[in-house]
Parts: sequence; C-alpha cells; structure tokens
Amino acid sequence: GAGVSQSPRYKVAKRGQDVALRCDPISGHVSLFWYQQALGQGPEFLTYFQNEAQLDKSGLPSDRFFAERPEGSVSTLKIQRTQQEDSAVYLCASSLEAGGLGEQFFGPGTRLTVL
Amino acid sequence: RKEVEQDPGPFNVPEGATVAFNCTYSNSASQSFFWYRQDCRKEPKLLMSVYSSGNEDGRFTAQLNRASQYISLLIRDSKLSDSATYLCVVNGLDNFNKFYFGSGTKLNVKP
Repeated sequence: GAGVSQSPRYKVAKRGQDVALRCDPISGHVSLFWYQQALGQGPEFLTYFQNEAQLDKSGLPSDRFFAERPEGSVSTLKIQRTQQEDSAVYLCASSLEAGGLGEQFFGPGTRLTVL
Repeated sequence: RKEVEQDPGPFNVPEGATVAFNCTYSNSASQSFFWYRQDCRKEPKLLMSVYSSGNEDGRFTAQLNRASQYISLLIRDSKLSDSATYLCVVNGLDNFNKFYFGSGTKLNVKP
C-alpha cells in the first residue's frame, strides 16, 4: 500500500523506559506531522517537519520528547524516561504540500501504554 | 479556552435524518479549516476542506462564518455508515503549520 505506516502498532513500556516510534510517510510528501491523541480527545499537535527541517516543535510536552527526520522521509519520535501520562495513541500524518494547505494523510498510530 | 471547541454529543439520529454540527475557534486569523472523520480506533481521514464560500460534497455541506468564528457541517439523508466522530480542524495564527483539532462530535445513526 502507498499509505502512511507506523511501527510498532502497540507498545507497552515500563515507567522510565525509553521508546522509539517510527513513521513512514507517503513517498514524496514534504510535510510530516506528529500528534498525540488521548482517549476521548482529538489529536494534539506535537511537531512539524518540512522535508528534514523541524520547523515547529512547540507541541512537544517536555524535553523527554524528541523527533527527527534526518533524510526528509522516515521520521522517529523518541520518548525518554516514559511516564504514565505519556500513554496515548501517537499519530503521524504526511502531506504533499508544505505548511497548512493540503490534506493530511494519517497513519494507523502507535498505541503506547506506560505501566 | 481551547482553540477549537465542539459539542461532544453523541448525536443519535435515525437513518435519513439531517444533522448539523458546529465548531467554534478562537483564532480570528486562522486560514485553513477542515472536517475530518474518525471511526472508532482508526486514524482520522479528511472529510472535506471548508472554504470561505462554503462547499458541498454530495450529502455533506460545510460552511465557514468568519465573523462569528465558527464552522459547520451539515449531513443530509444520514446513512448508518456515517456513524463516526467528526473532528473540526483549524490552523494556528503564529504558525500556519500548527493544526488544532477539536475533541470531536460523535454521531450515531440508527436504523
């Protein structure tokens, strides 16, 4: 398929453990977004990449969260020293165009549970 | 105050009914507006963009009211398959790359 893929789909971590979540966007898409979605809530913006440049990371909740997209395609969201409040679904979305103009295509998400 | 506010519902309607959702946003300078649909335990998918002049796609009509800072979604002739959560999305002022999602309005269409 040519959609956005994410791995792992499910991750259980013990409190204090580091995790890495991967996103494979649609090939050729310039924009890549990460969102955090808590149960019963809408997605909350975490960070935005335009190609390999991280143009906005204002939504990252703490310095334990780090994202990268070194070659302008695959992106990784890393969470260090996980806490229970980090439990959520982490969604990645890509868009063909730069900025806020085009449709965002979402991946299926990674459901993170921190025990 | 949240940037985007929606009535969480649920809206329980019979098949064939017309139903409307509103969404208010706080940032008067927002430029892009969308409705996304999210099925239970699935990812959001774009339903439609919302343009200043309003737009229609089959049974779905979206309107933007900049003066009152709200957008609306009208669904005519509801189908069972329309049952989902509808998310209102608005982009930010200081950075148009930053998108704000509402918490969603849940729609249940009953036979």
